[in-house]
Amino acid sequence: DQQVKQNSPSLSVQEGRISILNCDYTNSMFDYFLWYKKYPAEGPTFLISISSIKDKNEDGRFTVFLNKSAKHLSLHIVPSQPGDSAVYFCAATFNQAGTALIFGKGTTLSVSS
Amino acid sequence: DAGVIQSPRHEVTEMGQEVTLRCKPISGHNSLFWYRQTMMRGLELLIYFNNNVPIDDSGMPEDRFSAKMPNASFSTLKIQPSEPRDSAVYFCASSFLGLFTVTDTQYFGPGTRLTVL
Repeated sequence: DQQVKQNSPSLSVQEGRISILNCDYTNSMFDYFLWYKKYPAEGPTFLISISSIKDKNEDGRFTVFLNKSAKHLSLHIVPSQPGDSAVYFCAATFNQAGTALIFGKGTTLSVSS
Repeated sequence: DAGVIQSPRHEVTEMGQEVTLRCKPISGHNSLFWYRQTMMRGLELLIYFNNNVPIDDSGMPEDRFSAKMPNASFSTLKIQPSEPRDSAVYFCASSFLGLFTVTDTQYFGPGTRLTVL
């Protein structure tokens, strides 16, 4: 059973608008969450993370929100740009270095100009 | 730094053949992870090493899979014999685990796309 779920396989957004990618998790013991971005024929690259002691983390156009009670996190991209078109993976882990990341299946974001 | 290097980038082989995937982690990193990506299961961890020692291999699907890390700059993932269901993209990632590191960012290689006919 998947512990990290990204229920939307794809999302299409117009340039300049907001992209919201969602992620749900089932294990309440997870306490660190990450978003990775992946372009075709490349490995995933780290985008942004959030610890469970926070409910928001912002880095430029990217903001991650965490709702622990709902076991839900989301990634907001504002404004969206065509170069943001990629597969976005949500990942969760325990707040202990060297532990594996548990990934969702990814959401493909397409930003049209 | 060149980042995590994986070879080959593409591998096509026939069922029953031995396949060896290679990974060179980022210099100075002391944790190495092997992941597999499939449409059905997404990205899943196979095994990870810390200071060249396997720490968690619970994700290795079966005895046909084996991984080694003979030194800090090289790791292999071997499948023998290979089967069509092993077809996937295999990623290697590395990170630095320090004395005071709480959580570490893993850096991924470009992956090896394996096709077993």
